[in-house]
Amino acid sequence: GAGVSQSPSNKVTEKGKDVELRCDPISGHTALYWYRQRLGQGLEFLIYFQGNSAPDKSGLPSDRFSAERTGESVSTLTIQRTQQEDSAVYLCALRVAGLSKGTDTQYFGPGTRLTVL
Amino acid sequence: QKEVEQNSGPLSVPEGAIASLNCTYSDRGSQSFFWYRQYSGKSPELIMSIYSNGDKEDGRFTAQLNKASQYVSLLIRDSQPSDSATYLCAGRRAAGNKLTFGGGTRVLVKP
Repeated sequence: GAGVSQSPSNKVTEKGKDVELRCDPISGHTALYWYRQRLGQGLEFLIYFQGNSAPDKSGLPSDRFSAERTGESVSTLTIQRTQQEDSAVYLCALRVAGLSKGTDTQYFGPGTRLTVL
Repeated sequence: QKEVEQNSGPLSVPEGAIASLNCTYSDRGSQSFFWYRQYSGKSPELIMSIYSNGDKEDGRFTAQLNKASQYVSLLIRDSQPSDSATYLCAGRRAAGNKLTFGGGTRVLVKP
């Protein structure tokens, strides 16, 4: 939805390996979010990019997690030295403006399912 | 205490009945609330947003917000088997901010 793709759709990796997840939005979306959803749970905020402003990294669970985005283009989420507790679906979301101020919403991409063995 | 709380369910309702889902939140700074529907193995899909106290209706869905009591609810009228999914409640402090999600309520609509 909302013109965003994520890759890979599934990733299986071994504990200790690094992984890179990609979010590819259509152009024109200045705000981009990453969330994580563990099995059977709600979504946890990870990081938020807004144009050229410094990203809000307050949700990143450890320094093994990092993310980058250049302008309004692709964002990558990197997890170093993966652990089994990193297994989750990683979702990218775009902000879509509403008809009036303050009514913007977020639409999610299809997600990447990460399994750490 | 989680910032956004939902009963995990499952909430089982017969086809054609009203499904009533509740969500409470602890952050009084939250201004806007959202209901997402999530089918198994799929990403969340926005179904309702509500920004002020009161009711908001959209088709078979009605969202209710009571900021004084810090609760949000979602009513699904004339429930259909296709409504069987997990419903996620999320709050947000201000436009553009991150969403804070509850754990979701699983709804089962039985024919």
